[in-house]
Amino acid sequence: EADIYQTPRYLVIGTGKKITLECSQTMGHDKMYWYQQDPGMELHLIHYSYGVNSTEKGDLSSESTVSRIRTEHFPLTLESARPSHTSQYLCASSMPPWAGGADTQYFGPGTRLTVL
Amino acid sequence: AQKVTQAQTEISVVEKEDVTLDCVYETRDTTYYLFWYKQPPSGELVFLIRRNSFDEQNEISGRYSWNFQKSTSSFNFTITASQVVDSAVYFCALSESTGANNLFFGTGTRLTVIP
Repeated sequence: EADIYQTPRYLVIGTGKKITLECSQTMGHDKMYWYQQDPGMELHLIHYSYGVNSTEKGDLSSESTVSRIRTEHFPLTLESARPSHTSQYLCASSMPPWAGGADTQYFGPGTRLTVL
Repeated sequence: AQKVTQAQTEISVVEKEDVTLDCVYETRDTTYYLFWYKQPPSGELVFLIRRNSFDEQNEISGRYSWNFQKSTSSFNFTITASQVVDSAVYFCALSESTGANNLFFGTGTRLTVIP
């Protein structure tokens, strides 16, 4: 059982608001990820991090930003939310092989964001 | 380039039937890993299995079994005697040993088990 948490689970906000989606894990995993999942089910990697002070862009261009100041925390921020940002956002973490892990990703419960 | 194809978008079966979810992958790496995840209606992705490219043994876990065949680049998932609780979206994914080791997901198969 993975210990990875996301808050809020559901968020409905108006256009132009700044929002931060929280993700925390208690497994000491080095690597963390953010995925965006559209209603058609497909998962898109938007950000990942190898560890503290590391952030990388994923395969899908995103207007969001991330930070990694602590190992366990990987928040995602949208400076000005738009309806096109409406989606489910999933956070994951893994212990990469160079750190002695199998690199299996464990996912949080997700945040379902609706921008009006 | 890496790619994962799940050709079955949606499958419906009657409870107690067996069902196989197909997964075909492409990679140039000789070392890679294959995964299956389950996403129930609650939204969380639940890890089911991880196989490396050097281990072609089939695996069985309760009603779940996986058939890995490198010759056809397939990693199929079978649920025996399906139950309503198996209704979910199932994702196959690939991770390569080179590069960032990130997961490449298929587009998912939505399984509905009808009571």
